[in-house]
Amino acid sequence: DAGVIQSPRHEVTEMGQEVTLRCKPISGHDYLFWYRQTMMRGLELLIYFNNNVPIDDSGMPEDRFSAKMPNASFSTLKIQPSEPRDSAVYFCASSPGTAEQYFGPGTRLTVT
Amino acid sequence: GNSVTQMEGPVTLSEEAFLTINCTYTATGYPSLFWYVQYPGEGLQLLLKATKADDKGSNKGFEATYRKETTSFHLEKGSVQVSDSAVYFCALSSSSASKIIFGSGTRLSIRP
Repeated sequence: DAGVIQSPRHEVTEMGQEVTLRCKPISGHDYLFWYRQTMMRGLELLIYFNNNVPIDDSGMPEDRFSAKMPNASFSTLKIQPSEPRDSAVYFCASSPGTAEQYFGPGTRLTVT
Repeated sequence: GNSVTQMEGPVTLSEEAFLTINCTYTATGYPSLFWYVQYPGEGLQLLLKATKADDKGSNKGFEATYRKETTSFHLEKGSVQVSDSAVYFCALSSSSASKIIFGSGTRLSIRP
């Protein structure tokens, strides 16, 4: 299995631009999670899906952030407009319905 | 609410030293407990887990025992290697396939 796939691995953009992060979960996993990791705040859960339906989005910082899961094999996290304080590593993780999560390699986002 | 507290880092040890990273938790009921490890530039990966009181999780020479009486899940290894240098996260899940509560992480550095 290829594991959780995220793209791009690195993204550098200017403030005000739209950013879209992509995730392909492990085939057969029903749960998908988006996290953000920074030195200041550590690892934060942003949102998670079960069977493509958002279950808990209480961690999404503000309306500039949105996430979708149009099918079982693809999810996006969009930031519009981006700000320098959004700079972080964004992780996607999937789970087969047990308590274990499998993380992707992350997308390092830099907003200048 | 549920929470995880782990010892602050960074922790620096010499190769072959004994390692303990403390972790305590607060939760209702009987959560599952985990240790995840994050190597530089990578996503988190599950190191070991325990699902009920007195269970011992083990992997790659690391061990942790689920102690309900002290609400602890301390990570230990008898002889660390340079390759163990990473950030270690203690975590809990109060129900299957739901979100995981992560600790703040402990950075471990091993000197040759």
